[in-house]
Amino acid sequence: GQQLNQSPQSMFIQEGEDVSMNCTSSSIFNTWLWYKQEPGEGPVLLIALYKAGELTSNGRLTAQFGITRKDSFLNISASIPSDVGIYFCAGQLGWDYGGSQGNLIFGKGTKLSVKP
Amino acid sequence: DSGVTQTPKHLITATGQRVTLRCSPRSGDLSVYWYQQSLDQGLQFLIQYYNGEERAKGNILERFSAQQFPDLHSELNLSSLELGDSALYFCASSPRSGTSGGYNEQFFGPGTRLTVL
Repeated sequence: GQQLNQSPQSMFIQEGEDVSMNCTSSSIFNTWLWYKQEPGEGPVLLIALYKAGELTSNGRLTAQFGITRKDSFLNISASIPSDVGIYFCAGQLGWDYGGSQGNLIFGKGTKLSVKP
Repeated sequence: DSGVTQTPKHLITATGQRVTLRCSPRSGDLSVYWYQQSLDQGLQFLIQYYNGEERAKGNILERFSAQQFPDLHSELNLSSLELGDSALYFCASSPRSGTSGGYNEQFFGPGTRLTVL
């Protein structure tokens, strides 16, 4: 089945540093979503992207939908301790390229640790 | 708070047993999705219901089944439970079916942690 390759798997950074993570696939996606999950909780939607090339910000978070529709990245600027968690990318296959389902395909996640 | 509720929060049961997980979607959302999260497999799509009808199936075992009721809440039934079924089960909801475009963000509930002993 389709897979999303998310990297890096984990990051250990100092408070105040910027963070960058990305997802790639061999398949074309119509939608890219970025979620954050904290221990014992469900994924929380951070940013949704619907158009190739789209760049969207949510506070210190910025995400982009790749031009090829096969990749996306998430940047976090000036990290703070509460940014700790696992960040997941998720994509919905392009319905104009044969995808016919509404479900999301998830990456394996990037575990972010922030040292105060 | 995403607006999606799931019960119970925790469930501990024995192998061979059957359990039912319940999900109430956000107000106005017609689609409900069930996902399983385990340490080695990550988040895996199980099944989607849209306005009461099954819309899509993922890697759902035959021992598992789901339904969506007229009030749009959904239940996931897991039977003949095995040790390997221990996982977090999440429900998500979205406004549309997701098969014909349009904004269709999925919002996740807090999950049910199932432990099979």
